[in-house]
Amino acid sequence: QLQLQESGPGLLKPSETLSLTCTVSGGSISGSSYYWGWIRQPPGKGLEWIGSVYYTGTTYYNPSLKSRVTISVDTSKNQFSLKLSSVTAADTAIHYCASRSGYSGFTWGQGTLVTVSS
Amino acid sequence: SYEMTQPPSVSVSPGQTASITCSGDKLGDKYVCWYQQKAGQSPVLVIYQDTRRPSGIPDRFSGSNSGNTATLTVSGTQAMDEADYYCQAWDSSTARDVFGGGTKLTVL
Repeated sequence: QLQLQESGPGLLKPSETLSLTCTVSGGSISGSSYYWGWIRQPPGKGLEWIGSVYYTGTTYYNPSLKSRVTISVDTSKNQFSLKLSSVTAADTAIHYCASRSGYSGFTWGQGTLVTVSS
Repeated sequence: SYEMTQPPSVSVSPGQTASITCSGDKLGDKYVCWYQQKAGQSPVLVIYQDTRRPSGIPDRFSGSNSGNTATLTVSGTQAMDEADYYCQAWDSSTARDVFGGGTKLTVL
């Protein structure tokens, strides 16, 4: 069964770039039909999909964040990553990495809190 | 952009049936998933492809989807079912995953 684990800095200053990595275990990130994605949740609020990368390498981004987001895959390390540029306090959130195969629903990592504060 | 709407809160007495709705334009044409999120924890999938339950999810959780509304039903609700519930679907027209705003289920 797939397991996902996020890692990266927990505190950023405004205008910096958020960089998170998700390490996948229990399966290959190159596995067919899998989407590898990032979802965030501001404190006390709902879930917001940030974007995903398909196993083919095709990326999909939330239009509201598209200009600042890059999601990429490192097959040699069985990892995928998120970069979000020019962060502000509004980007403070728990960030989850997640995967799904087709329409079978997301499997989630434990989440990591990223705080943006000067 | 595609939007899915959930009621902010639903209350139910222990042992009774709770229904949580998720509304969106022609939602019945999409596959809907439901997630349970307890305080301080990651979301957990409870229903996928409208009606299917992952292994380990109690059969008191069921789902349906038709027209513009998907529904998560919790039968014989227990105190442990108190949580936030989110619907989710893939919108192929905009190539994005979409989440509903979430519903807080309170077991009184």
